[in-house]
Amino acid sequence: DTGVSQDPRHKITKRGQNVTFRCDPISEHNRLYWYRQTLGQGPEFLTYFQNEAQLEKSRLLSDRFSAERPKGSFSTLEIQRTEQGDSAMYLCASSFGLAGAWNEQFFGPGTRLTVL
Amino acid sequence: DQQVKQNSPSLSVQEGRISILNCDYTNSMFDYFLWYKKYPAEGPTFLISISSIKDKNEDGRFTVFLNKSAKHLSLHIVPSQPGDSAVYFCATPTGSGGSQGNLIFGKGTKLSVKP
Repeated sequence: DTGVSQDPRHKITKRGQNVTFRCDPISEHNRLYWYRQTLGQGPEFLTYFQNEAQLEKSRLLSDRFSAERPKGSFSTLEIQRTEQGDSAMYLCASSFGLAGAWNEQFFGPGTRLTVL
Repeated sequence: DQQVKQNSPSLSVQEGRISILNCDYTNSMFDYFLWYKKYPAEGPTFLISISSIKDKNEDGRFTVFLNKSAKHLSLHIVPSQPGDSAVYFCATPTGSGGSQGNLIFGKGTKLSVKP
């Protein structure tokens, strides 16, 4: 399978705990995106990387959230001191980005987080 | 405030008939639009796009129409099939000329195609 993969698919945690999600993009894709989707909403942008550089962060990404892409391949999204409002589907997407052109973003299946 | 709006949360059509999904946007600077389809337990998948230099783009059973003056686009599916039942998202990339930016999504419309 050469698509975008995410792990775990589901995570249940207690409020206050830290959680970490992993995304493996399509190989050779230089851009990687994180989105969050809550019930009844479309995906909302959180952050994106070009290779290992984090180029943009949404104001949705509070100080409790941190994302890394250390070698320009897989990425991790960590949420510290989780709150019930963090319960959502976390989606990762990747693309091969060329300046001045849109390139399809391929999405993974998502990680569903439930904070009790 | 929503920059991309899909005002119909759901739509039900009969198999073989036309499905029309609508999307409105607020920023006239947006110049590239996409439709994504999402099945349960899967990530969204790209369906079709349109640039603002066009008013129509067709791909098989799927056609997207763009009305720039009204800041409105629509996705037509003809004929609709039960396998088309999914949530459809309208989206636009940030950045000009369709350049690679993050996507701004609408809330989605859940399409149900009944046999």
